[in-house]
Amino acid sequence: AQSVSQHNHHVILSEAASLELGCNYSYGGTVNLFWYVQYPGQHLQLLLKYFSGDPLVKGIKGFEAEFIKSKFSFNLRKPSVQWSDTAEYFCAVNMGNAGNMLTFGGGTRLMVKP
Amino acid sequence: GAGVSQSPSNKVTEKGKDVELRCDPISGHTALYWYRQRLGQGLEFLIYFQGNSAPDKSGLPSDRFSAERTGESVSTLTIQRTQQEDSAVYLCASSIGQGRETQYFGPGTRLLVL
Repeated sequence: AQSVSQHNHHVILSEAASLELGCNYSYGGTVNLFWYVQYPGQHLQLLLKYFSGDPLVKGIKGFEAEFIKSKFSFNLRKPSVQWSDTAEYFCAVNMGNAGNMLTFGGGTRLMVKP
Repeated sequence: GAGVSQSPSNKVTEKGKDVELRCDPISGHTALYWYRQRLGQGLEFLIYFQGNSAPDKSGLPSDRFSAERTGESVSTLTIQRTQQEDSAVYLCASSIGQGRETQYFGPGTRLLVL
């Protein structure tokens, strides 16, 4: 079955540390890729998305992600995290042969220590 | 502007009872999705509506689950004869179109089946 994996379930960082959250998917066809974030007490909201073109995409709040087709990966990065980045992060993939729904990874809880 | 709204925000029910969950999508969004998030897990797709097309029900876990949508507006997810394993947060999302369009999520309904 097609799936999305986020290998880090919990990440704890100090402020100003660099962040990289892994996301891998299992589908060889065309994909649309998303990262969503859920801040404490808030709705899921879109951080960034990739459909085509430049595989390095930039999103809100200084986040970026790189699509590496050969590795089936779409890792999320931020050079210097802030306490306000404490949240749960979800990678989601729309796989071309699976209709219009998103397949989500299990999420990564990030805690940034002040 | 108004986002996706869901009601109730919390629902506690007894095993065997039926429940109805409501979703009001963003005005003008033709696509509407229902997802479920069990504790500590990612989101699971349940059902998808697009305009007047037949819904994609491929994610519904059993025939106890059903959903309806009135035109391009409100949707209701019904769970009959609830079981304890139905306890989860039920999330609704809407989008302008399909596939690569951003899905905007509501706050969810937290369902607890005793």
